[in-house]
Formats: sequence, C-alpha cells, structure tokens
Amino acid sequence: DAKTTQPTSMDCAEGRAANLPCNHSTISGNEYVYWYRQIHSQGPQYIIHGLKNNETNEMASLIITEDRKSSTLILPHATLRDTAVYYCIVRASNDYKLSFGAGTTVTVRA
Amino acid sequence: GAVVSQHPSWVICKSGTSVKIECRSLDFQATTMFWYRQFPKQSLMLMATSNEGSKATYEQGVEKDKFLINHASLTLSTLTVTSAHPEDSSFYICSAFKREGAREQYFGPGTRLTVT
Repeated sequence: DAKTTQPTSMDCAEGRAANLPCNHSTISGNEYVYWYRQIHSQGPQYIIHGLKNNETNEMASLIITEDRKSSTLILPHATLRDTAVYYCIVRASNDYKLSFGAGTTVTVRA
Repeated sequence: GAVVSQHPSWVICKSGTSVKIECRSLDFQATTMFWYRQFPKQSLMLMATSNEGSKATYEQGVEKDKFLINHASLTLSTLTVTSAHPEDSSFYICSAFKREGAREQYFGPGTRLTVT
C-alpha cells in the first residue's frame, strides 16, 4: 500500500523555485513526512523532514498543510544539479524503515 | 555530516560465484543498517534490516540463504550474494541509522553488480 502519492514527473526552469507536491491523506498522528532525492546512479540523499510545522534548511523548505494530508517540498532556486528523483515518504517515529514509492522525476532545464 | 561508504562501487562476476559488498559508517556508529536493491528504472526495495550482533531480518520474498548479511561491528555490515545469477544483477544500496543526534538514515553511494 502506497502511503504517498506524487506526480510522476515535472520540469522546472533553472533559477526558479521548484514546488513538489505530495499527498498523504492517510497519515497518522505519529508519522513524519520525509523527503529524499536520488541523483542518477547514486544513493538517496536526505533532504528534510517534518511532523506538522513548516521546516526549512539549507537545501529546501517543507510546507505541510494544517490537516497534514499533503505537503510541498520547495527548492528555492533550482539548479541543473537538482535534477533527480524526489521521494516523499511517511514514517512513524518508532519505525526505522523507509518505504520508497516511485517518486517524482524532476528535470531542471537551463 | 554522516558518511556511509560502500565497497566496491561496481563489480562484475561470473554466474555461480559469490560476491561480498561492504557498507561502512565512517564517522558515526550504527546499530542498524539496511540493505536495498534497485533494478533499472525502478524504486528502491528494502531487502533486509541488519542489527549489530544479531541476525538480520529479511523482507518477504528475499532469500536469506542467498543474501547473507553480517553486521559484526557498529560501523560495518556486509552483504554476500551467494551463487550469483544474471537476475541478481542490480544496484545494491546500504543505509545506516544514526543512533545519536539526528536519528536519520544515511545512504551509501551504492554498488553496481553485474553477473555474466
């Protein structure tokens, strides 16, 4: 059972913000939203995670709706090196496992 | 940061032989490590959870006698693919769960296995 739903692919322009949506309508109260990305032929890279508040770090911002049923990852100024598959994953605080779905293939174009 | 390395980064072996892949957490201790497999154009599939000093826990459908996992120390886990066949050709990725500080999974760069 997929706990998250993401668009299959999206394009964005270099230098512009990239907004990646994720639906997780069945999320439980103790489950966090995690974002990872995987550049071609590399291991996944942790980006950010959150429970209910919006989060920001040096890589991205995470906006979680008040009902927690969806979220948006924002890459503020996309570069060509941000081209990757982005995975939105829901994980309980006491569960170490990560279940990867198909993710969103993001292509940043010059 | 938390760095996880894998060795080798790629390997080619003949059908019927065994291949060992190492996963190391370089700057932190990891009581738990995970092994994933990724076929071309597919997502990562969890194969097993490796706990230091105990037997690995395998996901449904993963043959434990074929994919031997050893986690002998807090910084090293190994995956041995025994009697490899061409269908075992894949990208194998490990991750290490940091036990202190930011309790997140950090992934290795992956090992590309090709069985001829």
